[in-house]
Amino acid sequence: AQTVTQSQPEMSVQEAETVTLSCTYDTSESNYYLFWYKQPPSRQMILVIRQEAYKQQNATENRFSVNFQKAAKSFSLKISDSQLGDTAMYFCAFMKHGGANTGNQFYFGTGTSLTVIP
Amino acid sequence: ETGVTQTPRHLVMGMTNKKSLKCEQHLGHNAMYWYKQSAKKPLELMFVYSLEERVENNSVPSRFSPECPNSSHLFLHLHTLQPEDSALYLCASSQEATTNYGYTFGSGTRLTVV
Repeated sequence: AQTVTQSQPEMSVQEAETVTLSCTYDTSESNYYLFWYKQPPSRQMILVIRQEAYKQQNATENRFSVNFQKAAKSFSLKISDSQLGDTAMYFCAFMKHGGANTGNQFYFGTGTSLTVIP
Repeated sequence: ETGVTQTPRHLVMGMTNKKSLKCEQHLGHNAMYWYKQSAKKPLELMFVYSLEERVENNSVPSRFSPECPNSSHLFLHLHTLQPEDSALYLCASSQEATTNYGYTFGSGTRLTVV
């Protein structure tokens, strides 16, 4: 079974500073995908960044980047130049392919609540 | 406009009531999902529909009944719920059930069972 662990229930960061959110996962799969989703108070889950396990290069999206360590099964999210709008719950997610009849299998962590302090 | 619209945004219902949650997407996606989000717990997948056919039912109690009349609409019919069913119910969609690109989520319906 796949599990996703986010060990930091709450974090805070000063505006303009950098923060790293941790995520580890457990799987026996060799090909899979990893995601970070953001859920602001509006409640909509928004995709922040996506990583394909077969790619060694870490994904980057503007101020968001990941540190993907496949052997260690670690997938941390770094937010640079934090902004007030980054305040949200952040969920790490693991996805493996399912069959055409069952679809993919998504596994989410319990989330990290990030507060950006002015 | 999020692409995936859920109504109502909030719902309070008694344990003997019958209500329905609605989800609508006009992204041209072929797969739709219902998730349950409870505090301090991972998101729980409830149902998966691909091309309007249910392909996944994660041991969800029968008091939750999904319906997918077409690829743009998904409903979750609720009856005789329990207080522990209070949660945020999220709808999501994807191009197909085997997509590599993750899901587009709605803003959820906050359900309170009294």
